[in-house]
Amino acid sequence: EPEVTQTPSHQVTQMGQEVILRCVPISNHLYFYWYRQILGQKVEFLVSFYNNEISEKSEIFDDQFSVERPDGSNFTLKIRSTKLEDSAMYFCASSDKRELSQYFGPGTRLTVL
Amino acid sequence: KNEVEQSPQNLTAQEGEFITINCSYSVGISALHWLQQHPGGGIVSLFMLSSGKKKHGRLIATINIQEKHSSLHITASHPRDSAVYICAVLYNTDKLIFGTGTRLQVFP
Repeated sequence: EPEVTQTPSHQVTQMGQEVILRCVPISNHLYFYWYRQILGQKVEFLVSFYNNEISEKSEIFDDQFSVERPDGSNFTLKIRSTKLEDSAMYFCASSDKRELSQYFGPGTRLTVL
Repeated sequence: KNEVEQSPQNLTAQEGEFITINCSYSVGISALHWLQQHPGGGIVSLFMLSSGKKKHGRLIATINIQEKHSSLHITASHPRDSAVYICAVLYNTDKLIFGTGTRLQVFP
């Protein structure tokens, strides 16, 4: 069964460093999403992406964040200058149509020291 | 404000019990998701529904649009059902709003 994959599974970085989290969505999917979950808290929407542009973003997704689909298969989330509060599990998801189920990747645990 | 509330927050059950987890939301939605999150953190989509009822194996999800309420039922619960169950709603946007989750533990 096709699945969403994410790399790395765990990323440790120093505050102020740039990180890129990578996702490979399911191949025929058109809608892509990033979510984050701070330890002990609920999952939060960050951004949705369709047709090579951001379709919606949350207030969390400020200028420090960017997303890209560089090569038609990968979908990346970049954090330019990480803060301690960026430490969280980041989930990528994709769907075939907006009104259909989203398939989630296994997550990347980001630890900012 | 668009809120999603789940109850109970924590639930323990003996193997074989019938389990119900509830989800309420505040305004009209276009769809509701039930998700399962295992201790390792991974999230699996169980159901997406906008009306009526769906069944998959021992899992049943129902939604009442008028009452803005959904339930997830697990029949003949098993220890491997132990996980956090999350309700998430989609309004007329791309933004899923998540509940805080219900932690279920099923003991043998």
